[in-house]
Amino acid sequence: DAKTTQPNSMESNEEEPVHLPCNHSTISGTDYIHWYRQLPSQGPEYVIHGLTSNVNNRMASLAIAEDRKSSTLILHRATLRDAAVYYCILRDVGGQFYFGTGTSLTVIP
Amino acid sequence: GAGVSQSPSNKVTEKGKDVELRCDPISGHTALYWYRQSLGQGLEFLIYFQGNSAPDKSGLPSDRFSAERTGGSVSTLTIQRTQQEDSAVYLCASSFRGGTSYEQYFGPGTRLTVT
Repeated sequence: DAKTTQPNSMESNEEEPVHLPCNHSTISGTDYIHWYRQLPSQGPEYVIHGLTSNVNNRMASLAIAEDRKSSTLILHRATLRDAAVYYCILRDVGGQFYFGTGTSLTVIP
Repeated sequence: GAGVSQSPSNKVTEKGKDVELRCDPISGHTALYWYRQSLGQGLEFLIYFQGNSAPDKSGLPSDRFSAERTGGSVSTLTIQRTQQEDSAVYLCASSFRGGTSYEQYFGPGTRLTVT
């Protein structure tokens, strides 16, 4: 059973913000929410992670719902280099990662 | 510093043959993961090693698949009697189990083609 659900694809115009949603209604209290992205022909790379509070780093922001059943990855200004598949993942206390099917982001010049 | 390396980068094999895929994790990383990615699909978890603990093999699709991690470092994924449906990119990742990140660093993958 999938632990996270994401839209298959999204589009964004270059230099505009992008909000990538993720549902994880069966999340447990100790699961962390991670986001990775996979550029074409590359392995996935870490983007951001959080537990309960919203998080910001140089790449993106992560907004976590109060009930933790959903989260949103925010890219503040999409660039062409942000075109990738974005994975929303739950990581349990044992260190196991549960990848979803990901959202393919297309950035339109 | 050196990242995660995998070899070979590409492997073409005949149906029924055995293959071994190698992963060299980042030095000092205690956790090592194997995933499989079929064309156009997401990542499918295969197996997870954490330190000296027994590996989590829950993702291995059949008993034809096995993996070892020697000396807490290099790992080998072995597929016996390969089938065409085994064709995929096999990705290895390592992480340091500390703090809250558990950030995984992925290798470039091995593209396996079974003819």
